[in-house]
Amino acid sequence: QVQLQESGPGLVKPSETLSLTCTVSGGSLTNNYWTWIRQTPHRGLEWIGFFYRETTNYNPSLKSRVTLSVDTSKNQFFLRLTSVTAADTAMYYCVRGGQWEPLDSWGQGTLVTVSS
Amino acid sequence: DIQLTQSPSSLSASVGDRVTITCRASQSISTHLNWFQQRPGKAPKLLIFAASTLQSGVPSRFGGSGSGTDFTLTISSLEPEDFATYFCQQSYRSPITFGQGTRLETK
Repeated sequence: QVQLQESGPGLVKPSETLSLTCTVSGGSLTNNYWTWIRQTPHRGLEWIGFFYRETTNYNPSLKSRVTLSVDTSKNQFFLRLTSVTAADTAMYYCVRGGQWEPLDSWGQGTLVTVSS
Repeated sequence: DIQLTQSPSSLSASVGDRVTITCRASQSISTHLNWFQQRPGKAPKLLIFAASTLQSGVPSRFGGSGSGTDFTLTISSLEPEDFATYFCQQSYRSPITFGQGTRLETK
């Protein structure tokens, strides 16, 4: 059974870069889609982007600030979000699945707060 | 972007009740509609994908139907653990989008 675990700083200063890691066990990053999603009480669930093998797809609302990358040797994938503001404060989830596969396995989530 | 509108936003019910939650898409999405359950402090959990296919391990009291723009999630007989928030999600067209959620509370 695949398991996902997010990790990274819980506090990021405005204008800086948010960087998160998702460590996957029981699954291979060379198969399936892999996705980042965030959630806030006001905006709800927001898809950030996914990758599938060599292809990435980002939410247009975040595309200019987002980069997804992967290290298959460590079975990890990464989220990088630049120039953060308070609006980027959210619970961030890494998820197996994407546009053509159900979002069937979720990490527990990691709360990131943007504040000085 | 494809907008998903859930109704109701909140719902009060009792154990044993049959409940239905609807999700309406702003344009046709065929059957590319999934349903999730989220309990407080937990990540969403996939219940149903492709509008009507039950995810492995999900109790059979959960059911989904619909195609095009109108979809429903039905819980045939509520159990205590079903009181949670439910979301729909479309995968027909990027960007992937979610409904705003339906909070199911005990009456």
